[in-house]
Amino acid sequence: RKEVEQDPGPFNVPEGATVAFNCTYSNSASQSFFWYRQDCRKEPKLLMSVYSSGNEDGRFTAQLNRASQYISLLIRDSKLSDSATYLCVVNIAGRRALTFGSGTRLQVQP
Amino acid sequence: NAGVTQTPKFRVLKTGQSMTLLCAQDMNHEYMYWYRQDPGMGLRLIHYSVGEGTTAKGEVPDGYNVSRLKKQNFLLGLESAAPSQTSVYFCASSHMGARSSGANVLTFGAGSRLTVL
Repeated sequence: RKEVEQDPGPFNVPEGATVAFNCTYSNSASQSFFWYRQDCRKEPKLLMSVYSSGNEDGRFTAQLNRASQYISLLIRDSKLSDSATYLCVVNIAGRRALTFGSGTRLQVQP
Repeated sequence: NAGVTQTPKFRVLKTGQSMTLLCAQDMNHEYMYWYRQDPGMGLRLIHYSVGEGTTAKGEVPDGYNVSRLKKQNFLLGLESAAPSQTSVYFCASSHMGARSSGANVLTFGAGSRLTVL
């Protein structure tokens, strides 16, 4: 079982739609959480950190549910430029490096 | 600022050949990492370094060696390339390691696409 699981998608949504992705993690020692964005054939870039109380950055909202061991990313009013793969990233206690999920692909259509 | 620079961007090798991927960062970061990315597998950690002169194994280290002789450079070597090493390789660096509290943002290079025939 992968330590960080994501639905690979693709999620095909029209412009203006609201879309949500979930990510589950198996290691209860996970301490901090992030969403990275990766455009096709490009490198991953940090989208946002995920805080326990939930946090928002413009059209993006991230939430953490420690009891059920999942995090979510909500994108409101989707833009064509949001088309990308969204990587769920977890910092597991005791490890020197972050652990990546395999990503969820989003395709926003006109 | 260049950030993290990887060379070469593309390479085709024959089975058994050797090569070195170079990663250079100009942000004075202590931590550097090499990941490989394969379809459906996500990013998997090959080796990492917590400072100049140190290296450690990650999740998938077999078939690779690394060196960090200078703080700004992290080299990934393939001694005898195999088709299973066909992948996209990403180098990344961070100011703090994952054990540190607070955000430890990774800055990635643009990737190196390696094909082993």
